[in-house]
Amino acid sequence: GAGVSQSPSNKVTEKGKDVELRCDPISGHTALYWYRQSLGQGLEFLIYFQGNSAPDKSGLPSDRFSAERTGGSVSTLTIQRTQQEDSAVYLCASSLTFGQASYEQYFGPGTRLTVT
Amino acid sequence: AQSVTQLDSHVSVSEGTPVLLRCNYSSSYSPSLFWYVQHPNKGLQLLLKYTSAATLVKGINGFEAEFKKSETSFHLTKPSAHMSDAAEYFCVVSGTGANNLFFGTGTRLTVIP
Repeated sequence: GAGVSQSPSNKVTEKGKDVELRCDPISGHTALYWYRQSLGQGLEFLIYFQGNSAPDKSGLPSDRFSAERTGGSVSTLTIQRTQQEDSAVYLCASSLTFGQASYEQYFGPGTRLTVT
Repeated sequence: AQSVTQLDSHVSVSEGTPVLLRCNYSSSYSPSLFWYVQHPNKGLQLLLKYTSAATLVKGINGFEAEFKKSETSFHLTKPSAHMSDAAEYFCVVSGTGANNLFFGTGTRLTVIP
């Protein structure tokens, strides 16, 4: 079946512009995660959605970052007034559920964001 | 608190020789542990996972890892490297709460023909 998809695959934007990154999780997966991967770094957790519950935004680095998930499926990560330090690969993952020690997150290919 | 340390940022092996990627973890309880692989311009793919069953875990593509509680280690091995194994490998430990996966900084594996 189809995996997690993300769009666009690459995005180049000017400093100060807003960007929207999209994630389509695997159908039926209730949990959705956003991560950021900077050059030479591990993955940094950003935000998490579980079903219809309020998202956990504890990983968002600043109030310029926000995300929503419509209808429990597609999610959009928005970065306002982009800065050069926002340049990174943004990864989305989904899983069947949350809280199970043995669950697996399925990752999308990522969106490479470059802020010039 | 949970954390992961990948001891080598870069490992280089010759094709056909064994692979060893080292990982140590810290956890305040019995964790689940994972190894993910990331090929260039591809998403992360789960190689294997440990969830308190057998301590020697076999994964895809001939990889395996052994959970050693006394050493707090979860090293990834493969008997014979293949060119297609060249990628970035991440050791991951589970946590609690929303931020429930803690990733190491990765080990880049280079396979020399």
